[in-house]
Amino acid sequence: DIQMTQSPSSLSASIGDRLDISCRASHDIGNHVAWVQQKPGRAPKSLIYSASTLQSGVPSRFSGSGSGTDFSLTINDLQPDDFATYFCLQYNRYPLVFGGGTKVEI
Amino acid sequence: QVHLVESGGGVVQPGKSLGLSCAASGSIFRNYAFHWIRQPPGKGLEWVAFISYDGSLSKYADSVKGRFAISRDNSKSTLYLQMNSLRVDDTAVYFCAREYDLLSGIDDWGLGTRVTVSS
Repeated sequence: DIQMTQSPSSLSASIGDRLDISCRASHDIGNHVAWVQQKPGRAPKSLIYSASTLQSGVPSRFSGSGSGTDFSLTINDLQPDDFATYFCLQYNRYPLVFGGGTKVEI
Repeated sequence: QVHLVESGGGVVQPGKSLGLSCAASGSIFRNYAFHWIRQPPGKGLEWVAFISYDGSLSKYADSVKGRFAISRDNSKSTLYLQMNSLRVDDTAVYFCAREYDLLSGIDDWGLGTRVTVSS
């Protein structure tokens, strides 16, 4: 199975900051990576697919990059609504695997 | 966009069975594949199962293989997860999620239904 190692597991940030969250896959997965946002008690929300393509309606301050084994999610100009937990997800092959998550706190 | 509503969660004893449903509206259900994904209390997301648009193909996580069964009824726009031989570590919120296509992956999620396995 593919392993997804996500870092950091948590971070503190301020409004207006730029954040980078990383995910490393144990095998080459092309660009089959998605990023998911989750707020406490809420359903997850898909932000990015194919490593760098924003889902419809996602603000442009979110961006994704990478291919092969190394991927990143960047949030520019952090807004109050962005404080949440973020997960990467590989969907190149089964079983699908999520990263461990990054909790973004004020 | 699709609206997904899970139901069927509850408290069940270890070794018992429980069936979950996910009702879909707002898009053509039969055109899409679906997944079940779960989240244990205070933990991350874990993929559980997948079913193709026509039900001909399914995949399972090793942790549930042989115990859980995913199915769908396209005439009712409903996805199902039959969970047998439940264990304490199956305790989680279970989400259904739509897969837009092979390249795009999962795009929409339901609100989830809570399953507690406890004696």
